[in-house]
Amino acid sequence: DQQVKQNSPSLSVQEGRISILNCDYTNSMFDYFLWYKKYPAEGPTFLISISSIKDKNEDGRFTVFLNKSAKHLSLHIVPSQPGDSAVYFCAASGGSNYKLTFGKGTLLTVNP
Amino acid sequence: NAGVTQTPKFRVLKTGQSMTLLCAQDMNHEYMYWYRQDPGMGLRLIHYSVGEGTTAKGEVPDGYNVSRLKKQNFLLGLESAAPSQTSVYFCATWDTYSNQPQHFGDGTRLSIL
Repeated sequence: DQQVKQNSPSLSVQEGRISILNCDYTNSMFDYFLWYKKYPAEGPTFLISISSIKDKNEDGRFTVFLNKSAKHLSLHIVPSQPGDSAVYFCAASGGSNYKLTFGKGTLLTVNP
Repeated sequence: NAGVTQTPKFRVLKTGQSMTLLCAQDMNHEYMYWYRQDPGMGLRLIHYSVGEGTTAKGEVPDGYNVSRLKKQNFLLGLESAAPSQTSVYFCATWDTYSNQPQHFGDGTRLSIL
């Protein structure tokens, strides 16, 4: 039973346009959500996070939106750049041991 | 990724062989985790540790053992490797005092024939 779902295995956008990556979760105990970016042959790198007490968090070109009632979060990248091409993982955490539950990832390709 | 070093980076084993993967961190983080990543599966938690001398099971612990004898090291052992354990293994740490997100190593690619 997948508790964190990323239903789009891949996404392709043009440089300069907006990239929107989506994530759904089922576990109501999750209270902290993160996005990680992963390049081939490297470990995941933290990108941005959001606590369940917020509905939006911004960091430069990256914005994460959280809709708790729909159990949905999204990552917006504006403007998209070719260097953003990577696999993006949505992850969620709840409880004191900070264990992360990951989605399957979305491969983002930004075309020049 | 600076701060979390995984050894080895690649390894090929035969079914039934044993081996130990080492994760070493120099950031003095209390929490450490082992994940595996399989194609189309995302990352899944194998075992984790909330401090020196402690370990706990994650989502997919069967076939693995772990030890945290020193705070800076977290070892993942395969006693009798199986082809189903072919995967990329990632170690991560978490600094609960600064509340920074989990910090990952670059992974160990393990193939079991």
